[in-house]
Amino acid sequence: NAGVMQNPRHLVRRRGQEARLRCSPMKGHSHVYWYRQLPEEGLKFMVYLQKENIIDESGMPKERFSAEFPKEGPSILRIQQVVRGDSAAYFCASSPSQGGHYGYTFGSGTRLTVV
Amino acid sequence: TQLLEQSPQFLSIQEGENLTVYCNSSSVFSSLQWYRQEPGEGPVLLVTVVTGGEVKKLKRLTFQFGDARKDSSLHITAAQPGDTGLYLCAGADSSASKIIFGSGTRLSIRP
Repeated sequence: NAGVMQNPRHLVRRRGQEARLRCSPMKGHSHVYWYRQLPEEGLKFMVYLQKENIIDESGMPKERFSAEFPKEGPSILRIQQVVRGDSAAYFCASSPSQGGHYGYTFGSGTRLTVV
Repeated sequence: TQLLEQSPQFLSIQEGENLTVYCNSSSVFSSLQWYRQEPGEGPVLLVTVVTGGEVKKLKRLTFQFGDARKDSSLHITAAQPGDTGLYLCAGADSSASKIIFGSGTRLSIRP
């Protein structure tokens, strides 16, 4: 009964490269959320997706960032032309229903370092 | 914009002592959750409170949701080194499409 799986755990990219972060939700969960966490800070919401649909992307930067959750396969958070300020821990969470009233299950995160 | 403020930001106490962490907002939340996060890992859900005035206990941890559903507290009795971690409160936002997090309280328990 695997939980939320994120990979890679650690990702190093040079400035200007692309970063692809993957998230497989818990079995039976069709709602996926991406959050970003800077050191010593709480989690900042980025985007909420259901299968093949973006429901809420109000926390996503307008440029360079995109997310998808295809019918088959994991959800992908894509960051193009990374800059040093993109260095952070990115967490994915899933839930069986909308709204999160019953809590989310989080993955272990991907730590992105831009050099 | 709904915001959740946690206090204190940092807390370091001796093993065996009691402590309370607070989570406050000017907004009403339909539900509020507490998570604990250890270094290098994702947050783990501890509890969800839904009803104003609700109190839930989880072993040595007591969670309370304010009557007006704008604030919450986490009380730990006889803290142990294993309680060390980042405690995060989170609330379902007004659109009910996501949860938003407070800035966290970093707790350190000294043996």
